[in-house]
Amino acid sequence: DVQLQESGPGLVKPSQTVSLTCTVTGISITTGNYRWSWIRQFPGNKLEWIGYIYYSGTITYNPSLTSRTTITRDTSKNQFFLEMNSLTAEDTATYYCARGEGLLPLDYWGQGTTLTVSS
Amino acid sequence: DIVLTQSPATLSVTPGDRVSLSCRASQSISNYLHWYQQKSHESPRLLIKYASQSISGIPSRFSGSGSGTDFTLSINSVETEDFGMYFCQQSNSWPHTFGSGTKLEIK
Repeated sequence: DVQLQESGPGLVKPSQTVSLTCTVTGISITTGNYRWSWIRQFPGNKLEWIGYIYYSGTITYNPSLTSRTTITRDTSKNQFFLEMNSLTAEDTATYYCARGEGLLPLDYWGQGTTLTVSS
Repeated sequence: DIVLTQSPATLSVTPGDRVSLSCRASQSISNYLHWYQQKSHESPRLLIKYASQSISGIPSRFSGSGSGTDFTLSINSVETEDFGMYFCQQSNSWPHTFGSGTKLEIK
């Protein structure tokens, strides 16, 4: 069964950089025609698609976040990562990793990790 | 970016009611519109893909319709387990965007 699990520090200070991890089990992130995505949900429920890494390694970012976002992966550990810098309180959100096949919608989601940006 | 406007923001219903949730796109997105359900403290769950295509494991009381800019998610005979948030999402163009959601609550 496909499962995704996010992990992260929980609390970071403004202007810092955060790294979040998504650990995938039940399928290799390098097989099939899958996009492995990062989505965030702000307090108040607004959802924003941050970006994704294709099974091939191709990466696409939301243009609104591309200047301070990096998505990478470690295929040996079947993990992919989100790094975001210059954090502000407006980045406080629950961060989800999720899978979609090609351009199909997201069919598997992690449980989410909460990130609070506060001094 | 394509803006998706969902209405109403909140819908108060009684179990057994038939409900319709609306999602309107700021420009035509053909049928590249998907629906998700999110219950409190859970991740979103895919309900309908490409406006009207069913998803394995989702109860048949959920159905979708529409194309272009106007879309509807219908729930035939709402059950107590259906209460929560509903989001639409478009994959016609990048960045893919979500609607602001409709909260389905018990009257």
